[in-house]
Amino acid sequence: QKEVEQDPGPLSVPEGAIVSLNCTYSNSAFQYFMWYRQYSRKGPELLMYTYSSGNKEDGRFTAQVDKSSKYISLFIRDSQPSDSATYLCAMSHSGGGADGLTFGKGTHLIIQP
Amino acid sequence: NAGVTQTPKFQVLKTGQSMTLQCAQDMNHEYMSWYRQDPGMGLRLIHYSVGAGITDQGEVPNGYNVSRSTTEDFPLRLLSAAPSQTSVYFCASSFDRGGKLFFGSGTQLSVL
Repeated sequence: QKEVEQDPGPLSVPEGAIVSLNCTYSNSAFQYFMWYRQYSRKGPELLMYTYSSGNKEDGRFTAQVDKSSKYISLFIRDSQPSDSATYLCAMSHSGGGADGLTFGKGTHLIIQP
Repeated sequence: NAGVTQTPKFQVLKTGQSMTLQCAQDMNHEYMSWYRQDPGMGLRLIHYSVGAGITDQGEVPNGYNVSRSTTEDFPLRLLSAAPSQTSVYFCASSFDRGGKLFFGSGTQLSVL
């Protein structure tokens, strides 16, 4: 079993819909949880960053972490065609800037105009 | 600020050749790292550095060398290229241990 599981998709939804993306993990030591967005042929860019359990909201994006279930989610409200990208979950136990992050494989999201 | 700059963007090598992938950042970040991204595998850590003169191995270090002589630069060297090293390589930097990584735009490497 991989440390981080993420459905690769593709996930296709109409413009304006609420999108739900999620990851499960097996390492209970993970404490830092992130979501990155990656456009085709570009590097990942940080969208959301959460320490430990709880919710975090930033504009149309909401990140949720449930450590008891080892499950994290990213919700996108009022989805736009520009949200079409691959979304990567990432996590670490010590702060990945030092010794790296463990990434999911990414979910390919398509927003249909 | 340019952020994290990687060169070249594309490279084709023959098996056995060596080369260096360049990475530079202008954000005065102490932490830098190299990842490779393969279809169906996600991003995997190759090597990382917590400051000038300090490097360590990640998940998949075999066949790669790194050094960190300055805060700004973190080159990745392929010693003897193999087809298994065909991948997209990303350099990243971070201000602190917290994991807020800034990525470069990547180098697409093909080894024939």
